[in-house]
Amino acid sequence: AQSVSQHNHHVILSEAASLELGCNYSYGGTVNLFWYVQYPGQHLQLLLKYFSGDPLVKGIKGFEAEFIKSKFSFNLRKPSVQWSDTAEYFCAVKFNMDTGRRALTFGSGTRLQVQP
Amino acid sequence: EAGVAQSPRYKIIEKRQSVAFWCNPISGHATLYWYQQILGQGPKLLIQFQNNGVVDDSQLPKDRFSAERLKGVDSTLKIQPAKLEDSAVYLCASSPRPFKGSSYNEQFFGPGTRLTVL
Repeated sequence: AQSVSQHNHHVILSEAASLELGCNYSYGGTVNLFWYVQYPGQHLQLLLKYFSGDPLVKGIKGFEAEFIKSKFSFNLRKPSVQWSDTAEYFCAVKFNMDTGRRALTFGSGTRLQVQP
Repeated sequence: EAGVAQSPRYKIIEKRQSVAFWCNPISGHATLYWYQQILGQGPKLLIQFQNNGVVDDSQLPKDRFSAERLKGVDSTLKIQPAKLEDSAVYLCASSPRPFKGSSYNEQFFGPGTRLTVL
């Protein structure tokens, strides 16, 4: 079965530090890739997505992610984090095996804590 | 634009009891999903509807879980009887019809219902 792995379960950074969260998936075919964020007390929101084209995608709030097909990875980055980035981050993949099934497979999430 | 609505937000029941959750997707969204998110894990799909038809329920524990979307709009998810391991947040999401030539469109999530089974 296809799976999504997020190896960093809990990350603690100081403000202005750089961030990179890892995401790997287990499938060699065509995929759509997403990062979702869940701020404390709020619902899941889309941060950015990759369907095709330029493998470096930019999202909201200064986040970006790079799709590296040969490594089955879609790592999330931000050059300088802020306290307001404290949240849980989920990598999600749509495995395009059947276009009717549009559900996402999520990683287990990474809890980011930014200290002022 | 109003978001995905879910109710109740919280529910506490004892094991072997029944419980139902309700979801109203964003107006006009053809596809509706129910996900289960156990503490410390990412959301896991339970069922996907396209209008009022089921597209994928392969991960739905059908001996105790059921879901319906009778008129292709709002949906209910029921657990009967509940077990301790059903304690989780139940998320509803919806997405509009994909653009021509695309297999995907963005999913919008509701706030979830947090279920505690004692």
